[in-house]
Amino acid sequence: EVQLVESGGGLVQPGGSLRLSCAASGFTFSSYEMNWVRQAPGKGLEWVSYISGSGTLVYYADSVKGRFTISRDNAKNSLFLQMDSLRAEDTALYYCVREWGSYDSFDYWGQGTLVTVSS
Amino acid sequence: DIQMTQSPSSLSASVGDRVTITCRASQTILTYLSWYQQKPGKTPKLLIYAASSLQSGVPSRISGSGSGTDFTLTISSLQPEDFATYYCQQSFSTPRTFGQGTKVEIK
Repeated sequence: EVQLVESGGGLVQPGGSLRLSCAASGFTFSSYEMNWVRQAPGKGLEWVSYISGSGTLVYYADSVKGRFTISRDNAKNSLFLQMDSLRAEDTALYYCVREWGSYDSFDYWGQGTLVTVSS
Repeated sequence: DIQMTQSPSSLSASVGDRVTITCRASQTILTYLSWYQQKPGKTPKLLIYAASSLQSGVPSRISGSGSGTDFTLTISSLQPEDFATYYCQQSFSTPRTFGQGTKVEIK
């Protein structure tokens, strides 16, 4: 059974940092591209970042470029999101998401970890 | 960036109704279009990929169609478990953009 379990969220002051982790199991992690998607309270879904299976190719939303860094450790079946210079508008539930198939759909989602940026 | 626009933003319908949600891309995305369902407090669930392919385990009353810039999600006979928010998403290019969502409520 595919499982994605996020951790690392919490309350942080504006300008602070957090590192999110996602533990993957039930599939060959290194064979899949992965993403982070976030959802602000009461709002829609926003794609945040992408990483290829090998970790060599990464992409970011303009809203987080230069502040967030995505990475992965295939030996430990783990995905990460280093979040620096956090802003109030980064407050959201952050989902770890697996990308699948020829059309790059998001087929498995974690339960999410909540990040709250507030003083 | 490719903009995805869904309509309507919300709708009220009764059990048994046929429901149609549309999604328009700001430029062609071929058939790189997925649909997701999200219930309150739950994670999004993939319903449709490649614009019209039904994800495993999704009931056949749900279908998708379209290509290029105009897409449709149809629920042929709305069931109680279908009341949720639906999102379209393009995977033709990065950033992967979502529509703003369509909330399907009970009339």
